[in-house]
Amino acid sequence: DIQMTQSPSSLSASVGDRVTITCQASQDISFYLNWYQQKPGKAPELLIYDASKLEMGVPSRFSGSGSGTRFTFTISSLQPEDVATYYCQQYENLPRTFGPGTKLDIK
Amino acid sequence: QVQLLQSGAEVKEPGASVMVSCKTSGYIFTKYSVTWVRQAPGQGLEWMGYISTYNNNANYAQQFQGRVTMTTDASTSTAYMYLSSLRSDDTAVYYCAREGSRFDKWGQGTLVSVTS
Repeated sequence: DIQMTQSPSSLSASVGDRVTITCQASQDISFYLNWYQQKPGKAPELLIYDASKLEMGVPSRFSGSGSGTRFTFTISSLQPEDVATYYCQQYENLPRTFGPGTKLDIK
Repeated sequence: QVQLLQSGAEVKEPGASVMVSCKTSGYIFTKYSVTWVRQAPGQGLEWMGYISTYNNNANYAQQFQGRVTMTTDASTSTAYMYLSSLRSDDTAVYYCAREGSRFDKWGQGTLVSVTS
């Protein structure tokens, strides 16, 4: 199975800050990576697919980059409504696997 | 609009079975697979498996092999997840999601509590 790791596991930032989360795969997954946002008590929502493509309707302050084994998720200017846990997920192979999540809150 | 509507919360005793349904609307059911993901309290997301709505082929995560069965009913655009031999550590919110390489639409989640 492909193992996904994320760093940091949690972070606290101020409104307007640039926030970056890293996701690493245990083997080459090309660009087969998605990013999800999950707010407390809610289902996850897709933000970024194919490593860097913005899902329709998602604000442009969210972006993704990377390929192979190392990926980055960025919020260019943190907003209060971005408080959530963020997960990466690979679909290069079965089983699909998620990273452990990064919990983001406002300082 | 695309919607996935799941069945309501369940309380089960250890050893029992549970079936969760996921009724879809707003798109052609057989064009996308349905994936099932669960989340134990305070934990991350765990992929359970998926089923092709086109040919009903299913693929299950190894840790659920022998206990999980995923089915679909194309006549009602509904997917089902059946989990047997429930244990206390199966207590979780179970989600269905539409899959076409990415999980782009999700159900609201179904809480399954396993308790004696």
